[in-house]
Amino acid sequence: EVQLVESGGGLVQPGGSLRLSCAASGFTFSSYGMNWVRQAPGKGLEWVSYISSSSSTIFYADSVKGRFTISRDNAKNSLYLQMNSLRAEDTAVYYCARDGGRFRGVIDPDYWGQGTLVTVSS
Amino acid sequence: QAVVTQEPSLTVSPGGTVTLTCGSSTGAVTSGHYPYWFQQKPGQAPRTLIYDTSNKHSWTPARFSGSLLGGKAALTLLGAQPEDEAEYYCLLSYSGAYVFGTGTKVTVL
Repeated sequence: EVQLVESGGGLVQPGGSLRLSCAASGFTFSSYGMNWVRQAPGKGLEWVSYISSSSSTIFYADSVKGRFTISRDNAKNSLYLQMNSLRAEDTAVYYCARDGGRFRGVIDPDYWGQGTLVTVSS
Repeated sequence: QAVVTQEPSLTVSPGGTVTLTCGSSTGAVTSGHYPYWFQQKPGQAPRTLIYDTSNKHSWTPARFSGSLLGGKAALTLLGAQPEDEAEYYCLLSYSGAYVFGTGTKVTVL
């Protein structure tokens, strides 16, 4: 059974940093790309970032480019999101989602984690 | 950035049929936008229902189907069940940019 468990969320001040993790199990992690998607309280979904299975291809949404860094450790079956220079508008539940990889150059989210809440506030 | 628009809310009777649509501010939605559909219930993570316009996952109930309709992506629910009450989001791809729709709240009443 595919399982994705996010952690690392919490309260952080504007301008601060936070590192999210996503622990994967139930599939060969090193064979799949991964995504981060976020959802502000009471709002819709927003795609944040994608990383390929080998980390050779990385994409970011314009809203986080230059502030967030996606990475992964295939030996630890883990995905990360380093978030710097955080703003109030980054407040959201952050989901990791496996990428099915069916299409070249297009994200393909299939399985989702339960999310971790990040609150940016003073 | 493109804006992807969905109906804010729709109501369907149990056993009835409802069609949700997903439009793009840049023009007609085509298969090249690789439309996806997700279901999200309160307090839960999203669940992927449809990928690449009309393909279903193994967990997608047969009563859900995806298509292109009148220049938009469409999700049709045929024979609505009480457990289908949820928020539904579409996702469109724009050459490396990925935009979710505004969401449709479906009430089964």
